[in-house]
Amino acid sequence: DSGVTQTPKHLITATGQRVTLRCSPRSGDLSVYWYQQSLDQGLQFLIQYYNGEERAKGNILERFSAQQFPDLHSELNLSSLELGDSALYFCASSAGQAVGEAFFGQGTRLTVV
Amino acid sequence: AQTVTQSQPEMSVQEAETVTLSCTYDTSESDYYLFWYKQPPSRQMILVIRQEAYKQQNATENRFSVNFQKAAKSFSLKISDSQLGDAAMYFCAYRSAQGGSEKLVFGKGTKLTVNP
Repeated sequence: DSGVTQTPKHLITATGQRVTLRCSPRSGDLSVYWYQQSLDQGLQFLIQYYNGEERAKGNILERFSAQQFPDLHSELNLSSLELGDSALYFCASSAGQAVGEAFFGQGTRLTVV
Repeated sequence: AQTVTQSQPEMSVQEAETVTLSCTYDTSESDYYLFWYKQPPSRQMILVIRQEAYKQQNATENRFSVNFQKAAKSFSLKISDSQLGDAAMYFCAYRSAQGGSEKLVFGKGTKLTVNP
């Protein structure tokens, strides 16, 4: 158990809908990362938050947004969903320092039908 | 931008034998970290081993060791005495040591099959 909790584990929704994925980082970790894993794109970095502030942004679509709350949990919001958004979405956390290792949650499997 | 390449989409090994997974990367930075992550069928991403670029000594974790060749930008993973539980996808990853972000850049992965 990595200590990173993601909910839900599975999500099936229709095109055009909006969903929210939730992540609770390991105790004490200030950084939260979101990654998308798909068959064609592999593991892609989406966005990082550090202590409530956006720290880095990767290949995140404008239809997607995220935030980190004062209690350090994070949510990834996906809207106007398309079939191509079907993927495994991982949250990871680290202490946020340069030498901190990233620990991953079990992921949320999103299926858009 | 940094890139990570894993040239072996699939590998197989006999139980108790040794296998080496290849990884090359491209970066203009001098200080960085390299990782190998394992993803079994359970989907969980598990850190296997890490290497700091400033360290010349290759990292070792039990049956797992790396061959880090900084000049060649190569970072291979050797699994000794392979076990059935080693069967998984293995991802090589790069992280900059410079400030600003601790994001990981992943390779496409190598699927390892362990034959009994």
